[in-house]
Amino acid sequence: AQSVTQPDIHITVSEGASLELRCNYSYGATPYLFWYVQSPGQGLQLLLKYFSGDTLVQGIKGFEAEFKRSQSSFNLRKPSVHWSDAAEYFCAVGAPSGSNYQLIWGAGTKLIIKP
Amino acid sequence: DGGITQSPKYLFRKEGQNVTLSCEQNLNHDAMYWYRQDPGQGLRLIYYSQIVNDFQKGDIAEGYSVSREKKESFPLTVTSAQKNPTAFYLCASRSSRGDVSPLHFGNGTRLTVT
Repeated sequence: AQSVTQPDIHITVSEGASLELRCNYSYGATPYLFWYVQSPGQGLQLLLKYFSGDTLVQGIKGFEAEFKRSQSSFNLRKPSVHWSDAAEYFCAVGAPSGSNYQLIWGAGTKLIIKP
Repeated sequence: DGGITQSPKYLFRKEGQNVTLSCEQNLNHDAMYWYRQDPGQGLRLIYYSQIVNDFQKGDIAEGYSVSREKKESFPLTVTSAQKNPTAFYLCASRSSRGDVSPLHFGNGTRLTVT
């Protein structure tokens, strides 16, 4: 069965420091991969997605993620975080079925920014 | 601007009452989804609809019902049979034609049942 693991419930990073949020998945083939961000009390906003092709994906707000098939991972990175990046981040994995898919969600990682 | 509108933002109900959450989209998307979010958990799928007048149960459909009479609208009813209805509810949509597309989300409705 598909599963998604975000091992870190909370991460605290100093403003200006680099960030890496981990996402590991269990799926037999290459899935569709997504990172979303959620501010408190709000909906989710897509940061980036991977469907196929180049395994390093650029997203909005200066984020990037790298699909590593051998490690079943899709970690999210940012070279220098800003206080406005404080939010909860969700990784999601979809089993492709043509252009359709159903998503399995990680439990989320809450990012705290130290001034 | 196109988007998904969920209303109301906050909803309070007494136990034993049914309540309906609204979700409207003007993105011309065929597929619409309802998710439930609880603290410390990922999103869990309640119902989804790929086309008007058709919908399927998700992982936690018990105690919920939906309708899809119009492409733009996908209301969710939380019935009195739902044992623990207090949660944050998120509606989403996506295009299911052509290339693969991601989900777009509304801003959610927080339901509190006492």
